[in-house]
Amino acid sequence: EVQLVQSGAEVKKPGESLKISCKGSGYSFTSYWIGWVRQMPGKGLEWMGIIYPGDSDTRYSPSFQGQVTISADKSISTAYLQWSSLKASDTAMYYCARDNTVTDDAFDIWGQGTMVTVSS
Amino acid sequence: EIVMTQSPATLSVSPGERATLSCRASQSVSSNLAWYQQKPGQAPRLLIYGASTRATGIPARFSGSGSGTEFTLTISSLQSEDFAVYYCQQYNNWPPTFGGGTKVEIK
Repeated sequence: EVQLVQSGAEVKKPGESLKISCKGSGYSFTSYWIGWVRQMPGKGLEWMGIIYPGDSDTRYSPSFQGQVTISADKSISTAYLQWSSLKASDTAMYYCARDNTVTDDAFDIWGQGTMVTVSS
Repeated sequence: EIVMTQSPATLSVSPGERATLSCRASQSVSSNLAWYQQKPGQAPRLLIYGASTRATGIPARFSGSGSGTEFTLTISSLQSEDFAVYYCQQYNNWPPTFGGGTKVEIK
């Protein structure tokens, strides 16, 4: 079964760092782009950025450039989203998703989401 | 950045009725548009890509149409499991962008 499994919920304080993960299985992890999507509480979806685990080519939406870092470790089929200094406004659900050229680069497989809560 | 505008924000429909959701792009996105369904507490699910192609396992009651700047998602006969929020997304221009969503609720 093709799936993306994300790390568990996190509760952090402002200023702390965080790295959340997304592990792929059931397919060739290095052959598909993995994207990250933010969903703030009660709000819509926001496209953050994307990485190609095969060569770590990474691209960011201008809205998120410099705010987060996307990386991947192809040896363990895992992509990451990290913050160096969290803000309360980073409180959101974060989804990883697979970009598939078969579906014209739409996200065909989604992780279950990681809830990040930033509060003092 | 291309702005995707969905209407209406909320659509009240009775089970068995047809639902028509609209998505407008601020500039042409050709047919590079997807529709996703999101139920409470769940991740989004891909319904339609390429504006009109159903993703694997999606029932035939879901159909997409349009190109350029105007797109429509039609649910021909609403089932109880179809009450959810629907998002459109363009992936023609960088960065890809989502619409604000349409909530389909029970009338």
